[in-house]
Amino acid sequence: EIVLTQSPGTLSLSPGERAILSCRASQSVSNYYLTWYQQKPGQAPSLLIYGASSRATGIPDRFSGSGSGTDFTLTISRLEPEDFAVYYCQHYDSSPLITFGQGTRLEIK
Amino acid sequence: QVQLQESGPGPMKPSETLSLTCAVSGGSVSSGSYYWSWIRQPPGKGLEWIGYIFYTGSTNYNPSLKSRVTMSVATSKNQFSLKLTSVTAADTAVYYCARMPRYSGNNFDYWGQGTLVTVSS
Repeated sequence: EIVLTQSPGTLSLSPGERAILSCRASQSVSNYYLTWYQQKPGQAPSLLIYGASSRATGIPDRFSGSGSGTDFTLTISRLEPEDFAVYYCQHYDSSPLITFGQGTRLEIK
Repeated sequence: QVQLQESGPGPMKPSETLSLTCAVSGGSVSSGSYYWSWIRQPPGKGLEWIGYIFYTGSTNYNPSLKSRVTMSVATSKNQFSLKLTSVTAADTAVYYCARMPRYSGNNFDYWGQGTLVTVSS
């Protein structure tokens, strides 16, 4: 089973700053199956980035995904007030098994 | 616009069987392009994939829950369902249904709003 470890657990930043969130896999994974979600309080998660680097429909270009192998990054270039939320990475493998990271909480400093 | 809506029980007691249904609108569960999934989230915690079903009835379940999970699909009603047997307090969670495109990285592009299931004696 592939384990996804996200860091940091909590990230405290101010609007306008850059956020860098990490997702590390316990073994090398395919970019195609690496996804990022955003979850705001009281809401379902929403699709943010798929295929490690492709933005989902309607996602602003301040969000970007990168990485390969075991290390993946979600970058928010200039934080807007609505970006403060919890972010999860997710992976699918052919077992099939779908796993999520434990999440990174992005909070206003 | 695809919409998913979960419906399920009120409070539950340990050992009971949880039954949830997800009604799909704006799209068809009979589409060969999607899997239909269940995911849960205990209060204040992270996400756990439960399983998914194809319109043919083919299923895949999380091995950690496989012995207690059954999913089904009702194409005539455009809905799919989850049964989880022998629930305990550890099954207390918000349960989400979601759509998973087959050819786009097997992620979840549309989610229901979620329904809280509380298991307590």
